[in-house]
Amino acid sequence: NAGVMQNPRHLVRRRGQEARLRCSPMKGHSHVYWYRQLPEEGLKFMVYLQKENIIDESGMPKERFSAEFPKEGPSILRIQQVVRGDSAAYFCASSGDRLYGYTFGSGTRLTVV
Amino acid sequence: AQKVTQAQTEISVVEKEDVTLDCVYETRDTTYYLFWYKQPPSGELVFLIRRNSFDEQNEISGRYSWNFQKSTSSFNFTITASQVVDSAVYFCALSEAGYIPTFGRGTSLIVHP
Repeated sequence: NAGVMQNPRHLVRRRGQEARLRCSPMKGHSHVYWYRQLPEEGLKFMVYLQKENIIDESGMPKERFSAEFPKEGPSILRIQQVVRGDSAAYFCASSGDRLYGYTFGSGTRLTVV
Repeated sequence: AQKVTQAQTEISVVEKEDVTLDCVYETRDTTYYLFWYKQPPSGELVFLIRRNSFDEQNEISGRYSWNFQKSTSSFNFTITASQVVDSAVYFCALSEAGYIPTFGRGTSLIVHP
């Protein structure tokens, strides 16, 4: 009964590099949500995906950020050409039905140096 | 639009004191869900409770209790006889009609021995 698995737990990137964050939802869950938590702030919604579809990306920065949830494999949040301001904790949550509680992963802490 | 306000940024108590964390929400929907999550120093998000808008019964789980009042749009969380292990950031969240939850900025609870 593995929960939502996120990896890596910690990721260090130099400015200008790419960061790839992975999220494997709970077994049977087909809805995935990405959130960002900046230091001293709450969680901000970024994107909501179902298998192979982006449902809502209203919280995604317009540039450098992208997300996918392929038919097979984990959901990926990609940040291209990272900048210091991208340093944050990125959380993934999954649900089997929007009406039920969301289960969060342990997060990936991205540090841009 | 949904909004969650956690006016208390930080609360500091001594062990064994009772403490209440406030959560006030705004929504135009009649069907919505309210959540509380705990984020201990280790960083993961721990689900505590989900409550739908049609169930105003208060809930008690051990030392934790929740007071849901639609008349004041509040969903407050009380910890009785606090312990050092309760030290964490606590987030309240709102989901309109089961859609993507919006989180408050969180309340940092520090319990001193």
